[in-house]
Amino acid sequence: NAGVTQTPKFRVLKTGQSMTLLCAQDMNHEYMYWYRQDPGMGLRLIHYSVGEGTTAKGEVPDGYNVSRLKKQNFLLGLESAAPSQTSVYFCATAAQYRDIREAFFGQGTRLTVV
Amino acid sequence: AQTVTQSQPEMSVQEAETVTLSCTYDTSENNYYLFWYKQPPSRQMILVIRQEAYKQQNATENRFSVNFQKAAKSFSLKISDSQLGDTAMYFCAFGSNNAGNMLTFGGGTRLMVKP
Repeated sequence: NAGVTQTPKFRVLKTGQSMTLLCAQDMNHEYMYWYRQDPGMGLRLIHYSVGEGTTAKGEVPDGYNVSRLKKQNFLLGLESAAPSQTSVYFCATAAQYRDIREAFFGQGTRLTVV
Repeated sequence: AQTVTQSQPEMSVQEAETVTLSCTYDTSENNYYLFWYKQPPSRQMILVIRQEAYKQQNATENRFSVNFQKAAKSFSLKISDSQLGDTAMYFCAFGSNNAGNMLTFGGGTRLMVKP
């Protein structure tokens, strides 16, 4: 049981390059999220999805795009990477119909933009 | 919008002793959830304990317990009999009961357990 899997785990980009981070889940959860983690700032929500085909902006969406064409996958795209996007990125999922709406996290992707 | 504040960037404790991590939050919601997540050097986010706002009884999970003060909007984590494996970043998180159920995190507290 893989849970939540992020690909890749590490990546170095040059300024201006593009890339896509993939999040795959086998938990059949409706909700999926992308967070970024920066020192002293905890995790901040970039974009999220409440179901297949839907996406919405979070706290820090600028410079990122997302898509959720299939329920089990949530993609995060950087069209033109900037050094300010150097961070650790986490994907998370949550079930819609649960008493406790805890989030389950992937292992994170460390992205460095030089 | 909710905010979560962890006022202790770093803490240390001797092995086998007790330590309390502080967390305060601000919200206008009445029904919500609160969580403590642990992030060891492996970077994995691990759920430590959770609390429903409508429950008055404080949650406990083995050596971990919380002091939930709803009126004061305070949610502290107590770790008893600290172990070396408790060394990690700890994040307090607020869970909205609205559509999307996204979490709002505090800035984290780095805990070092000393032998």
